[in-house]
Amino acid sequence: EPEVTQTPSHQVTQMGQEVILRCVPISNHLYFYWYRQILGQKVEFLVSFYNNEISEKSEIFDDQFSVERPDGSNFTLKIRSTKLEDSAMYFCASSGYRDPTFGSGTRLTVV
Amino acid sequence: DQQVKQNSPSLSVQEGRISILNCDYTNSMFDYFLWYKKYPAEGPTFLISISSIKDKNEDGRFTVFLNKSAKHLSLHIVPSQPGDSAVYFCAASARSQGNLIFGKGTKLSVKP
Repeated sequence: EPEVTQTPSHQVTQMGQEVILRCVPISNHLYFYWYRQILGQKVEFLVSFYNNEISEKSEIFDDQFSVERPDGSNFTLKIRSTKLEDSAMYFCASSGYRDPTFGSGTRLTVV
Repeated sequence: DQQVKQNSPSLSVQEGRISILNCDYTNSMFDYFLWYKKYPAEGPTFLISISSIKDKNEDGRFTVFLNKSAKHLSLHIVPSQPGDSAVYFCAASARSQGNLIFGKGTKLSVKP
């Protein structure tokens, strides 16, 4: 069964550093998403991406965040200057017509 | 502002019995609803969905019921199995490709 693959599975970074979280969506999907889940809280939408541009973004997705599809297969989330409160599980998802498929997530720990 | 609410943080059920997980929503623009299952250290796994033009959708042991007037949906699992033990998230969107708004999840424990 096709999978959404995320790397790394765990990333530890110092506050103020830049991080790039990587995702390989399912190959024939057209819609791509990033969500995050802070420990003990609900899964929150960050951004959706379609046709090489952002289609929707939440209030969380401020200027510190950016997304890119650099080569037609990878989909990345960049956090420019990490803060302690960015520590969370970050999930990438992709969909065709509907029903997004999620990756296993990247646990980001900001110290 | 909780647009999608799962008021029961946990549910314990005996193997073989029915599990009923509930979800309420406040946004009348939502027209597509999904249930995801999540194991620890894994991403959410899609289970079943329902469009607002339907009131029931069934897939094997899983059935989702939608009551639009009450803004309520439920997931029925019958018979429940120990492998069903996980956190179940309800999610909703205002269109099939819109961003998903998740509830906080209900942890289901199915005891042998």
